[in-house]
Amino acid sequence: QVQLRESGPGLVKPSQTLSLTCTVSSASVTSRDSYWTWIRQNPGTGLEWIGYIYFDGHTIYNPSLKSRLTLSLDISKNQFFLKLTSVTAADTALYFCAREVRGTGTLDFWGLGTLVTVSS
Amino acid sequence: EIVMTQSPATVAVSPGERVTLSCRASQRLGTNLAWYQQKRGQAPRLLISGASTRAAGIPARFSGSGSGTDFTLTISSLQSEDSGLYYCQQYKGSPPWTFGHGTKVEIK
Repeated sequence: QVQLRESGPGLVKPSQTLSLTCTVSSASVTSRDSYWTWIRQNPGTGLEWIGYIYFDGHTIYNPSLKSRLTLSLDISKNQFFLKLTSVTAADTALYFCAREVRGTGTLDFWGLGTLVTVSS
Repeated sequence: EIVMTQSPATVAVSPGERVTLSCRASQRLGTNLAWYQQKRGQAPRLLISGASTRAAGIPARFSGSGSGTDFTLTISSLQSEDSGLYYCQQYKGSPPWTFGHGTKVEIK
């Protein structure tokens, strides 16, 4: 059973950078059959797909966030990361990391989520 | 971007009754649609993929149907543990994948 766990600061100031880590257990971020994905959820916009990263570093981003977003991974730590710059209150959300089985579009394992609030 | 619309927003059903949730897409999806259940304080859980294929460990009372733009999730006999939010998600072609805003299922 793949396990994912998000971590990062719960509070970020406007205009600063939001950085989150997802730690993967019982699977490897080098798996050829997995896309490592970020999703966020807030009451106003519901669930929003942010983007994913593949083991070779290939990324796909949501066009709505592309100019501010960077996804990366660390094979040695079996982790992948999200960095979102120039945050505003609209970026306040519950952030999930998840696994998409490559080529399926479906998210079969999710972390519990981490709440990020953007506020001064 | 493909827009997903779910209805109703909320439904209240007695245990043992049948529940039908709807999801409509702004473009034809074929059967590239998934359903998720989210309970309070938990991550979404994959129920259905390919519009009608139950994920591993999902009880048979959950079934999905539809293709093109109109899809349905049916819970044949509602159990108390089925309360929560239900989301549809499209994955046609290339990302970004998009989700509906959800239907809340309440137990009467």
